[in-house]
Amino acid sequence: AQSVSQHNHHVILSEAASLELGCNYSYGGTVNLFWYVQYPGQHLQLLLKYFSGDPLVKGIKGFEAEFIKSKFSFNLRKPSVQWSDTAEYFCAVNALSQSSGYALNFGKGTSLLVTP
Amino acid sequence: NAGVTQTPKFQVLKTGQSMTLQCAQDMNHEYMSWYRQDPGMGLRLIHYSVGAGITDQGEVPNGYNVSRSTTEDFPLRLLSAAPSQTSVYFCASRLGGDTQYFGPGTRLTVL
Repeated sequence: AQSVSQHNHHVILSEAASLELGCNYSYGGTVNLFWYVQYPGQHLQLLLKYFSGDPLVKGIKGFEAEFIKSKFSFNLRKPSVQWSDTAEYFCAVNALSQSSGYALNFGKGTSLLVTP
Repeated sequence: NAGVTQTPKFQVLKTGQSMTLQCAQDMNHEYMSWYRQDPGMGLRLIHYSVGAGITDQGEVPNGYNVSRSTTEDFPLRLLSAAPSQTSVYFCASRLGGDTQYFGPGTRLTVL
């Protein structure tokens, strides 16, 4: 069965620090990749996505992610975090095959706290 | 577009009671799913549907039932609530492998 692993469960950074959150998946076929963000008390919102093409994708609020196919990774980055980036971040993988039910599988999430 | 709507927002049940969480979307998405979110567990897929009349089980289906009679609606039924079902429930929909849109969630407490 496919799985999605997020390396860090809790991350604490100071404002202006750089951020990198790791995400690896275990599925050998074609995938669509996503990062979602959940601000406190809210539902999940799309941060960015990768379907094909340039493996470096840019999302909202200065976030970007790089798809490295050989490493089955889709890491999220931001050069300089702000207090308003405090949230939970979820990596998600959509295996594009009928056998997988086209299910969207989520990692367990990374809780980011940005301190002033 | 209202997007994905869920009702109720909050619910308290006693053990053994049954209830239905409602979910509707107005984007003509064929794919709909239910997740539960628990601390440290991320989002776990309960049931999903790839179109009207077609449903299938996800990772944690026990104790839940679904049906999909229309493209728009995908209700989740708790047959006999248990404290282990205390959670936040999210409904979501999408078109094919594209972006998944989430509802605002239902916070359920089972006493």
